[in-house]
Amino acid sequence: EAQVTQNPRYLITVTGKKLTVTCSQNMNHEYMSWYRQDPGLGLRQIYYSMNVEVTDKGDVPEGYKVSRKEKRNFPLILESPSPNQTSLYFCASSPWTGGDGYTFGSGTRLTVV
Amino acid sequence: AQRVTQPEKLLSVFKGAPVELKCNYSYSGSPELFWYVQYSRQRLQLLLRHISRESIKGFTADLNKGETSFHLKKPFAQEEDSAMYYCALRGLGFNKFYFGSGTKLNVKP
Repeated sequence: EAQVTQNPRYLITVTGKKLTVTCSQNMNHEYMSWYRQDPGLGLRQIYYSMNVEVTDKGDVPEGYKVSRKEKRNFPLILESPSPNQTSLYFCASSPWTGGDGYTFGSGTRLTVV
Repeated sequence: AQRVTQPEKLLSVFKGAPVELKCNYSYSGSPELFWYVQYSRQRLQLLLRHISRESIKGFTADLNKGETSFHLKKPFAQEEDSAMYYCALRGLGFNKFYFGSGTKLNVKP
């Protein structure tokens, strides 16, 4: 089944403790992206990647890092999480051109206390 | 600058009533427009795209280039339509997406 897999689904952590949210897709998509979803603000793009070793900032990159060492994986790294990063995070992938748009992961609900 | 605007944060209608979720966009080239839906506690999923010109779950959307709009419509709303709806624009040539802020549709019994 074609899908985007995120882990974990839920995470509660403390301020300053580094964490990684994993994202993997099995569709050989070139383009991958991370979004955060907050009430009243909709979806905001954090980082995106157009292919292996090619990443760029989205609209709200502060406090986040990403890497794209393999085509299928696009982990989101929070080096020193803070409470304002409490949010629902979605990973998404799509082919470079054409296709039906994004395939989204099931989301990761992160709480930073 | 590319931008997608969904002016309504919340739209409440009664079951059986018509519904229209508004989406306006600004883009200098030829965009491709999408509607995504997110049911409670689920992932976003594609509802429809303007190129397909299809009706999904009774919803339709027509791209109006003159008014730069892509409103989502359904003649008779159902309770199971209650969800968050996002309008999105993709620039021609590569998959950079721009999302609106979303409209929560609440269909009351």
